Amino acid sequence: GEDVEQSLFLSVREGDSSVINCTYTDSSSTYLYWYKQEPGAGLQLLTYIFSNMDMKQDQRLTVLLNKKDKHLSLRIADTQTGDSAIYFCAEKDTGFQKLVFGTGTRLLVSP
Amino acid sequence: NAGVMQNPRHLVRRRGQEARLRCSPMKGHSHVYWYRQLPEEGLKFMVYLQKENIIDESGMPKERFSAEFPKEGPSILRIQQVVRGDSAAYFCASSPGEGSAEAFFGQGTRLTVV
Repeated sequence: GEDVEQSLFLSVREGDSSVINCTYTDSSSTYLYWYKQEPGAGLQLLTYIFSNMDMKQDQRLTVLLNKKDKHLSLRIADTQTGDSAIYFCAEKDTGFQKLVFGTGTRLLVSP
Repeated sequence: NAGVMQNPRHLVRRRGQEARLRCSPMKGHSHVYWYRQLPEEGLKFMVYLQKENIIDESGMPKERFSAEFPKEGPSILRIQQVVRGDSAAYFCASSPGEGSAEAFFGQGTRLTVV
């Protein structure tokens, strides 16, 4: 079955870059996603990448995909305190289209 | 264009009662997914529905849980005879159709069973 793994915590200083990593097992995933969840809130779609791409950049966000190693990363440039949240990596199941989520990485940005 | 709307945002039920969670997808979206998030965990898929059809219910507990997405009206996730272990945040997501890349989530319903 599919499995998505992330490290649990990341702490950075304001202004630094943050890199959140994710590994997945389903080599036939079509899309891979990054969602942000603030306390008590829903999930906000940050960005996604099609599985035949290596990189996608969107303002301060850069997604890198290493399909051979099944490794996905999210880089946040110039991290701000407002970026403090839980970040979820997810892959899209090719069969029935459901999303399989990692356990989330809690990002803490200190001033 | 309103996003995915879930209600209620918070729901408290006593053990043994029924819980009904509602989800109205984004306008133009005909595919609805329900996920459950236990405290300090990621989201786990429960069920995938299209209008009047259950497409994939592989994540649904075998008993007490049911879901529907009627031709008219919101999708409903129903939990009968709730137990403490049902306490969680329940999220709904919608997408325009099969093969669509984007799935947008609602704010969730936080169910507390006392």
